[in-house]
Amino acid sequence: EAQVTQNPRYLITVTGKKLTVTCSQNMNHEYMSWYRQDPGLGLRQIYYSMNVEVTDKGDVPEGYKVSRKEKRNFPLILESPSPNQTSLYFCASSLGGDSYEQYFGPGTRLTVT
Amino acid sequence: GQQVMQIPQYQHVQEGEDFTTYCNSSTTLSNIQWYKQRPGGHPVFLIQLVKSGEVKKQKRLTFQFGEAKKNSSLHITATQTTDVGTYFCAGPRYGGSQGNLIFGKGTKLSVKP
Repeated sequence: EAQVTQNPRYLITVTGKKLTVTCSQNMNHEYMSWYRQDPGLGLRQIYYSMNVEVTDKGDVPEGYKVSRKEKRNFPLILESPSPNQTSLYFCASSLGGDSYEQYFGPGTRLTVT
Repeated sequence: GQQVMQIPQYQHVQEGEDFTTYCNSSTTLSNIQWYKQRPGGHPVFLIQLVKSGEVKKQKRLTFQFGEAKKNSSLHITATQTTDVGTYFCAGPRYGGSQGNLIFGKGTKLSVKP
């Protein structure tokens, strides 16, 4: 089944404790993105990747890191999480070509206390 | 910077009434996409419009892309409780690589039975 998976789905952590949210897709997609969703603010892009080892900042990259060492994986790293990073996070991938259709993962609900 | 705006932010309708959400871009778009996010779920691709003035239908949903390719609309005829959710439009980020999208903030639809 074609899908984007994220782990963990829920996470409660404390300020300053490094964490990684994993994202994996099995569709051989070139493009992958991370978004955060907050009430009233919609989906805001954090980082974007065009291919292995090629990443770019989105609208709200501060406090986040990403890496794309393999085509299928695009982890999101919070080196020192803060309460303002409490949010719902989505990973997405797209094939490219004529279709811009993005496939979203199920989301990760992060709470930083 | 580039903006994609959606109105209204919220819409409450009685089951059976029609619903329309509008999307306006600050820049001309090569294409526009629509996504639906059910409560507690992740965004799911509905459709992509590419041509100026294009109109596409999916059962009770009608999608339009403006002549200037800067605006779009989604119209739902005779809403049902299954239509509940948030509808997002998205377009390619100006100057960005393919697959790099900017989303509107969404229109949250509630339907009263």
